Amino acid sequence: KAGVTQTPRYLIKTRGQQVTLSCSPISGHRSVSWYQQTPGQGLQFLFEYFSETQRNKGNFPGRFSGRQFSNSRSEMNVSTLELGDSALYLCASSFRTATNEKLFFGSGTQLSVL
Amino acid sequence: EDKVVQSPLSLVVHEGDTVTLNCSYEVTNFRSLLWYKQEKKAPTFLFMLTSSGIEKKSGRLSSILDKKELSSILNITATQTGDSAIYLCAVELRGSGAGSYQLTFGKGTKLSVIP
Repeated sequence: KAGVTQTPRYLIKTRGQQVTLSCSPISGHRSVSWYQQTPGQGLQFLFEYFSETQRNKGNFPGRFSGRQFSNSRSEMNVSTLELGDSALYLCASSFRTATNEKLFFGSGTQLSVL
Repeated sequence: EDKVVQSPLSLVVHEGDTVTLNCSYEVTNFRSLLWYKQEKKAPTFLFMLTSSGIEKKSGRLSSILDKKELSSILNITATQTGDSAIYLCAVELRGSGAGSYQLTFGKGTKLSVIP
């Protein structure tokens, strides 16, 4: 079974640009969440989607947005990039039953803003 | 504000040693506590602990949840160089809708196992 796939693996952008990151969850997983990881702040929750609806949102500015498609694939977009947006962006998909509860992460997209 | 604190931040041990990593939390609406291992990029799931399952074990790794003390420990016995990684503790918050995940992470403990 394929894992969580994130593309691209690396991105270099300049301040003011916008960027779109993609995440394909594990087949059958309907929940997709996004996290930002930086050395100073660690992993921080961005948002979570389930069945094309945003269910939760973290404490990030409106420049960060996302969406989920009918096949559960998700994208996140960051507009008007700032230097501080440089980070590893991790996507995770989940499938929860009464006996099996796990959250699987992708390998992330490393974004560098110059 | 929800908070998860891990200690120590970093640890260096020799192969064969036993280590204990700590995680304490102050959150509203606790649902579960999870441990992850991050070697390069993708954190790998280790354990989930809830009120109905406060102790888990897998091989040399084990974890206990103390709901009274609002803390958890992750034990690794007979450490190997392959255990070198960042170990992340996360707390899942209740009230996010059935089956949804919103995790608050600690900063992690960087474990280095030297031969």
